[in-house]
Amino acid sequence: RKEVEQDPGPFNVPEGATVAFNCTYSNSASQSFFWYRQDCRKEPKLLMSVYSSGNEDGRFTAQLNRASQYISLLIRDSKLSDSATYLCVVKGGSYIPTFGRGTSLIVHP
Amino acid sequence: DGGITQSPKYLFRKEGQNVTLSCEQNLNHDAMYWYRQDPGQGLRLIYYSQIVNDFQKGDIAEGYSVSREKKESFPLTVTSAQKNPTAFYLCASSKRAGGQKNTGELFFGEGSRLTVL
Repeated sequence: RKEVEQDPGPFNVPEGATVAFNCTYSNSASQSFFWYRQDCRKEPKLLMSVYSSGNEDGRFTAQLNRASQYISLLIRDSKLSDSATYLCVVKGGSYIPTFGRGTSLIVHP
Repeated sequence: DGGITQSPKYLFRKEGQNVTLSCEQNLNHDAMYWYRQDPGQGLRLIYYSQIVNDFQKGDIAEGYSVSREKKESFPLTVTSAQKNPTAFYLCASSKRAGGQKNTGELFFGEGSRLTVL
């Protein structure tokens, strides 16, 4: 089993839709969790950290489920500019970040 | 402005040549990382360093070498022993993890795209 798994997609949604991605991790000792956004041929950029209590930033909501070992990202009211690849990042006890393969999102008019 | 600078942005190499990719940060971060990304794939860890003069192999270190003589700098050498070096190389840095809520997000450079001719 891979350490961090994501559905590669693509998720193809219309503008205004709500879309959710999940990411599962295998190391129960994982300490920190993040969602990054990567545009085509660019470097990843931090979208949001994921806190145990869940957190929201505008249209984006991130949640952590330690019992089932997954994190989620919910995007409401999708915009064309949300089209990108969303990378799940997990840091274990050694604090070395491990990336998922990424989930591709395409928002169409 | 603080950030991470990678150079060169594009690099072409003939088979059998070593090349060195530069990574410099002025964020005063202790930890630095090198990742490789192939088309349609996630990021794979090549090497990382959590402190000056110390570094560790990641998942795909074979054919690569690094040094960490200064806190700000973490150059990566792609040697001729790397069988398939054409890829997008990303350097990142982070604060050392601590007791804070946000434990060391990564900051990336713009990447170096290496093509072997």
